[in-house]
Amino acid sequence: EAGVAQSPRYKIIEKRQSVAFWCNPISGHATLYWYQQILGQGPKLLIQFQNNGVVDDSQLPKDRFSAERLKGVDSTLKIQPAKLEDSAVYLCASSLKGQLQPQETQYFGPGTRLLVL
Amino acid sequence: KQEVTQIPAALSVPEGENLVLNCSFTDSAIYNLQWFRQDPGKGLTSLLLIQSSQREQTSGRLNASLDKSSGRSTLYIAASQPGDSATYLCAVAGGGNKLTFGTGTQLKVEL
Repeated sequence: EAGVAQSPRYKIIEKRQSVAFWCNPISGHATLYWYQQILGQGPKLLIQFQNNGVVDDSQLPKDRFSAERLKGVDSTLKIQPAKLEDSAVYLCASSLKGQLQPQETQYFGPGTRLLVL
Repeated sequence: KQEVTQIPAALSVPEGENLVLNCSFTDSAIYNLQWFRQDPGKGLTSLLLIQSSQREQTSGRLNASLDKSSGRSTLYIAASQPGDSATYLCAVAGGGNKLTFGTGTQLKVEL
C-alpha cells in the first residue's frame, strides 16, 4: 500500500514570506496529523484532523499557521508570515481511526524540511 | 502536562553488542507507548507499540518493556548491526491518540 506522501521535500524562504506544505494520507485513513520537528528535538503535534474536522489544534500558532483538510483527504499547512524559528521539519502522519481507536499506530510521511533565512 | 525524557542522547557501540535505550514519562495515564526509528532525511517508522495493559512487546531482535507505575520503558536491541544506526524516539499516547515524543537517542553501530 502507498504510504503518506508529502511535498515539497525541501523549501528555503526568507523571513516574512509565506509557504505551504501538502500531505496526502494513506487511503482510507480518517485521522491526519501535522507535526513540527525542530533540530535535536522530538516531533511536536501542531494539529489533528478527524475526517475534515479539527480535533486538536492547541499547539498551533494560530496567528501565523493555518491548516485545512479538504474533503477529509488531502491536507495543507500554511505559514504566513514565516519567522526564523519556524525552521524545522514538518511531518504529516495518518492513522485509520485516530481518536476512535487509541491503540493504533500512526504512519509518517518523509517530511518537508523548511529553512527560513 | 506529559513530559518524555530519553537517555542517553547519543550512543556509539561496536557491532554485535546488546544495548538498552531508556525512556521515562511523567504522567502514567497513557493509552500506549511506542518506539519509532528515524533515519536521516526520512520520516518515522513504528517499531513497537505496547498497550497500557501490556508489559512488553517483541519484534525480531527488538524487545520493549513498559512499567506504567514507575513511568519507564526500555528498548532492548540484541546483536546490534550497522543497519540499526538511526535515531530512536519514544512516544506516549494520551487521549485522542495524541502522541508526546521524547527528544530521541542517536545510535551509531560501528563495524
